[in-house]
Amino acid sequence: KAGVTQTPRYLIKTRGQQVTLSCSPISGHRSVSWYQQTPGQGLQFLFEYFSETQRNKGNFPGRFSGRQFSNSRSEMNVSTLELGDSALYLCASSWKAGVDTQYFGPGTRLTVL
Amino acid sequence: DAKTTQPPSMDCAEGRAANLPCNHSTISGNEYVYWYRQIHSQGPQYIIHGLKNNETNEMASLIITEDRKSSTLILPHATLRDTAVYYCISNFGNEKLTFGTGTRLTIIP
Repeated sequence: KAGVTQTPRYLIKTRGQQVTLSCSPISGHRSVSWYQQTPGQGLQFLFEYFSETQRNKGNFPGRFSGRQFSNSRSEMNVSTLELGDSALYLCASSWKAGVDTQYFGPGTRLTVL
Repeated sequence: DAKTTQPPSMDCAEGRAANLPCNHSTISGNEYVYWYRQIHSQGPQYIIHGLKNNETNEMASLIITEDRKSSTLILPHATLRDTAVYYCISNFGNEKLTFGTGTRLTIIP
């Protein structure tokens, strides 16, 4: 069974731009969660989507948004990029919403210049 | 704050058992303990999870104390590929798992 895939793997943007990252979950998984990982803050939860609905959100500004499609694929968008948004963005999928075993993708490395 | 406590780093000789401790004294009775590991710049990899009983799978064993205040992850025969950051985590009443800083395990040849 194929794992979680994320595209693109690497991205370079400049301040003020926006970016969209994509995540395809494991087949059959309906929950997709996004995390931001930085050296200073570690792994931080961004939000979770289940059946096309955001059901949980971490403590991030409104510039960070996401959505989920009917096939469970998910995208996250960051608008008006700041230097501090440089990070590894990880997507994880699971069978059910809430606390469940999550399987992570390889991540998208975003660099903001 | 409810959280897990792990040593920041550990070394283990190749071929020996690696025993990674974790304290989670505030965990509630129905909250699972999960272990993940992250090899440099890759996504975290699920290892094992448990509630009360000891668990074993093809990757590792998880020993949970009877009072559930601590646990130990055991990698029975460590290899160089086991060098990674190991996270002991739970949800602590929240909707999602909360990651801490983990233990950086280095396997020594």
